[in-house]
Amino acid sequence: NAGVTQTPKFQVLKTGQSMTLQCAQDMNHEYMSWYRQDPGMGLRLIHYSVGAGITDQGEVPNGYNVSRSTTEDFPLRLLSAAPSQTSVYFCASSYIMVRGRTEAFFGQGTRLTVV
Amino acid sequence: EDKVVQSPLSLVVHEGDTVTLNCSYEVTNFRSLLWYKQEKKAPTFLFMLTSSGIEKKSGRLSSILDKKELSSILNITATQTGDSAIYLCAVPGGGTSYGKLTFGQGTILTVHP
Repeated sequence: NAGVTQTPKFQVLKTGQSMTLQCAQDMNHEYMSWYRQDPGMGLRLIHYSVGAGITDQGEVPNGYNVSRSTTEDFPLRLLSAAPSQTSVYFCASSYIMVRGRTEAFFGQGTRLTVV
Repeated sequence: EDKVVQSPLSLVVHEGDTVTLNCSYEVTNFRSLLWYKQEKKAPTFLFMLTSSGIEKKSGRLSSILDKKELSSILNITATQTGDSAIYLCAVPGGGTSYGKLTFGQGTILTVHP
């Protein structure tokens, strides 16, 4: 029962470096999202996808890119890391039940520090 | 733009107390409201409330949706130290944005022995 798998769990980057956070789900869910969590701010949506080949921006997309070539994978790329991107990142997948009900399943998170 | 506001932002109680957490929302097309509990890692699902199911209960936790006031409350009775966590509420987007959740800031609950 893998669910949503995120890697790595921890990462330290230097300012200006790039990296990719990996996210994979094995539940055949249509929707996948990336959130960042900062103290006192809940979870804020970075990017999301409603299916393979379709992505859209969330509330805080600047400095991040995504792509969705398969249903299972939804990587998040940091193009040029900045200290403001120090945060905990969560990937989530979700599906739609009848009458528009939904539930999101979360990965275990990636704690990213940019120095 | 959808908006979710939670209050209080933090709460400190002693074991055995009852707490009430609040969540208010503004969404263009309300479908459901979700409550999550977050301990050290990922948020875990607690309840989903919809227009047709406005009250949910699981053990010491219960939640009510007030469609008129556009709000929801999460009650925890006889709190235990294991209830210490961040409690998050969220609403899905409308149209094709079902998978796009808007979260509130969260309520940090600390339960002392």
